[in-house]
Amino acid sequence: DSGVTQTPKHLITATGQRVTLRCSPRSGDLSVYWYQQSLDQGLQFLIQYYNGEERAKGNILERFSAQQFPDLHSELNLSSLELGDSALYFCASSGTGFTDTQYFGPGTRLTVL
Amino acid sequence: AQKVTQAQTEISVVEKEDVTLDCVYETRDTTYYLFWYKQPPSGELVFLIRRNSFDEQNEISGRYSWNFQKSTSSFNFTITASQVVDSAVYFCALRIDTGFQKLVFGTGTRLLVSP
Repeated sequence: DSGVTQTPKHLITATGQRVTLRCSPRSGDLSVYWYQQSLDQGLQFLIQYYNGEERAKGNILERFSAQQFPDLHSELNLSSLELGDSALYFCASSGTGFTDTQYFGPGTRLTVL
Repeated sequence: AQKVTQAQTEISVVEKEDVTLDCVYETRDTTYYLFWYKQPPSGELVFLIRRNSFDEQNEISGRYSWNFQKSTSSFNFTITASQVVDSAVYFCALRIDTGFQKLVFGTGTRLLVSP
């Protein structure tokens, strides 16, 4: 158990809908990262937050957004969902040190029908 | 740009065989970090090891060992006396030493260990 929690574990929804994925980092970790794992794109970095502020952006679609709250949990919002958004979404967290390792949560499997 | 190549898509071995998973990376940065993660059938990503670019010492942890060679830009992972529980997808990843802390992952190697 990495100490990173993600809810829900599974999510099934329809095209055009909006969903919210939630992540709680390990105790004491200030950085949260979101990654998407799909069959065609592999594991790709989406976005990073550090202590409530956006730190870095990767290949995140405009239909996707994220935020990190004062209690350090993070939410990834996916809207106008398309079939191609079906994937495993991971959250990871790391400590305050720049070289800290990222520890991953169990993931949320999103299926868009 | 950074890139990680795991040329072996899938490897099948019989229990107790030794197996090596290859990882080749590309970066122009002199300071970087390399990682291995394991993704068992249950789906989570489990951290195995981290190496920084200034430490080329090989590492052994139980049945696992890692060989880091900057001269060939490789960070290979060997499992000795494989077990069925080692069956998983293994990812090699790279992170450069800047404010941008994203991990760049390889495509993964699926290891199947049969009894």
